[in-house]
Amino acid sequence: GAVVSQHPSWVICKSGTSVKIECRSLDFQATTMFWYRQFPKQSLMLMATSNEGSKATYEQGVEKDKFLINHASLTLSTLTVTSAHPEDSSFYICSARDWRETNTGELFFGEGSRLTVL
Amino acid sequence: AQSVAQPEDQVNVAEGNPLTVKCTYSVSGNPYLFWYVQYPNRGLQFLLKYITGDNLVKGSYGFEAEFNKSQTSFHLKKPSALVSDSALYFCAVRDIRATGTASKLTFGTGTRLQVTL
Repeated sequence: GAVVSQHPSWVICKSGTSVKIECRSLDFQATTMFWYRQFPKQSLMLMATSNEGSKATYEQGVEKDKFLINHASLTLSTLTVTSAHPEDSSFYICSARDWRETNTGELFFGEGSRLTVL
Repeated sequence: AQSVAQPEDQVNVAEGNPLTVKCTYSVSGNPYLFWYVQYPNRGLQFLLKYITGDNLVKGSYGFEAEFNKSQTSFHLKKPSALVSDSALYFCAVRDIRATGTASKLTFGTGTRLQVTL
């Protein structure tokens, strides 16, 4: 099956620093990737939709300048949390859509990245 | 707009008993429906999907789901639960007519399945 690799799995950083999370589709090309945030014992909150070669589309209430998304190639999207603060601590999950599955919308998920901001 | 409802926050089942995790959906047109499972501190794993065809869909790990258009439901089932099935389960829907950025999946709030000995 399609594999999505997300790195790092765990990251701890100081308040005010920036953190980059990578999401890679390993065996397929992903024209669209999605970034989610998940709070403890809660559902997934879609943050933004990332399309290769164009600007990301952010969901209402998500700060574009805080959460920078880049989708530079068909296999890589990055989420950078800028000037991180403790309230940004969360579990971030990426997902990718195989371009061949565009019609069904099936998503393949990364393993998630737990960010802790001290 | 599309939406998914998972009415139960948690389902408790004894090992060996059948399990059902409920999901109802709302879309303007016809739906694509998915079930995903999440283990602690992990991403989501695909279980099964309904696109078209047979209303009963079989997926990974012995799970199946039945698409019921009249009741707009897509309940997840397994004939005999295992302790290792304990996890968080998400139902998701997408309107088949949606395109571009509108074609995102909408997830339910998740149901925690607890299987005990």
